[in-house]
Amino acid sequence: DTGVSQDPRHKITKRGQNVTFRCDPISEHNRLYWYRQTLGQGPEFLTYFQNEAQLEKSRLLSDRFSAERPKGSFSTLEIQRTEQGDSAMYLCASSSQGGAMEKLFFGSGTQLSVL
Amino acid sequence: DAKTTQPTSMDCAEGRAANLPCNHSTISGNEYVYWYRQIHSQGPQYIIHGLKNNETNEMASLIITEDRKSSTLILPHATLRDTAVYYCIVRVVDNAGKSTFGDGTTLTVKP
Repeated sequence: DTGVSQDPRHKITKRGQNVTFRCDPISEHNRLYWYRQTLGQGPEFLTYFQNEAQLEKSRLLSDRFSAERPKGSFSTLEIQRTEQGDSAMYLCASSSQGGAMEKLFFGSGTQLSVL
Repeated sequence: DAKTTQPTSMDCAEGRAANLPCNHSTISGNEYVYWYRQIHSQGPQYIIHGLKNNETNEMASLIITEDRKSSTLILPHATLRDTAVYYCIVRVVDNAGKSTFGDGTTLTVKP
């Protein structure tokens, strides 16, 4: 168990550029979540996958955001035409089961700064 | 999911018990209470969860009042490494891990 891995840890980009983040969940975890966290706030749910199927997307996930999880393993989160308001920590989490026992295992996040 | 209310910050002396309260007065019968913590520059870490009975694990104890409108997370012997933001979350079991974290309580353990 190597934990949830996210890459890169930090990303600085200029407004209008596209960025892509990667998340490698814990092996065998079939659920994968993306959250966004701004300074001083708790994480906010963006979207989640069960295997390769994207089952839910938050209203926070505008049309500029897209997430994929091909083959039900790693996931990518892409932001097109970045805006300064996109600056945040993007967290990925995975879990192995649903129901009351579901525990989320989080990665250390990707810190995005849009200049 | 029910809304939770937590104090913004708390201090605790090293070696003493840290008692972190959470109010969830609108909790429904099918909602569980979960606690996570987030140490600076890391992702949140699961601590414990419960429905109505008190729970204990290697990290902490969770005390839920009989009416389930509030709960307390207890770290029995706080260390400096327990300094973190602690989140109390209430969620319906079948809402998956789609949790509403709120702003949490910043616990500072002092030597």
